[in-house]
Amino acid sequence: QKEVEQNSGPLSVPEGAIASLNCTYSDRGSQSFFWYRQYSGKSPELIMSIYSNGDKEDGRFTAQLNKASQYVSLLIRDSQPSDSATYLCAVASNYQLIWGAGTKLIIKP
Amino acid sequence: DTGVSQDPRHKITKRGQNVTFRCDPISEHNRLYWYRQTLGQGPEFLTYFQNEAQLEKSRLLSDRFSAERPKGSFSTLEIQRTEQGDSAMYLCASRRGVGNEKLFFGSGTQLSVL
Repeated sequence: QKEVEQNSGPLSVPEGAIASLNCTYSDRGSQSFFWYRQYSGKSPELIMSIYSNGDKEDGRFTAQLNKASQYVSLLIRDSQPSDSATYLCAVASNYQLIWGAGTKLIIKP
Repeated sequence: DTGVSQDPRHKITKRGQNVTFRCDPISEHNRLYWYRQTLGQGPEFLTYFQNEAQLEKSRLLSDRFSAERPKGSFSTLEIQRTEQGDSAMYLCASRRGVGNEKLFFGSGTQLSVL
């Protein structure tokens, strides 16, 4: 059974600080990794994709991938109250995405 | 608007009734997915189409669920004889073919079975 694991949280971070979200996966053959943001009652929204080991930066977001450790993370710099949401990690396996249950992030003003 | 469109946004029905949801994917996307999501969980895969062909259906999906994509464009998901346990957000998503796995979601249909 292919799995993606995330800490459910909630993770509480002060405004302006760095939020660090983590995800581990079981399928060693996975090559594509995604972070989605989901506000309450809304559908998931793609915010980052990463395919190679190392870091990928996009604005305040940095995705980090370590295939040897089967670990992917998302850093959010200068956290804003609008970043408060559930962050879903998704890992491509064959033609499907395997989803984590999400980490609820709360940014405290 | 070139996003994924779902209709209706909300559906309230009585147990035992049939419901049908519609999804219009992004026009150049040939792959279409249906997911179900309940509170505190990630999206649960239901079924997947490549063009008009339904290539996989989740083993968790009972025979009361059926999906079609007759011309490889829009898709419908029907639930027959609804049960209270069917209450969830039903999400449709689409993407291009092999080589680009970025998935784009519609706004979802929130189903409440009374």
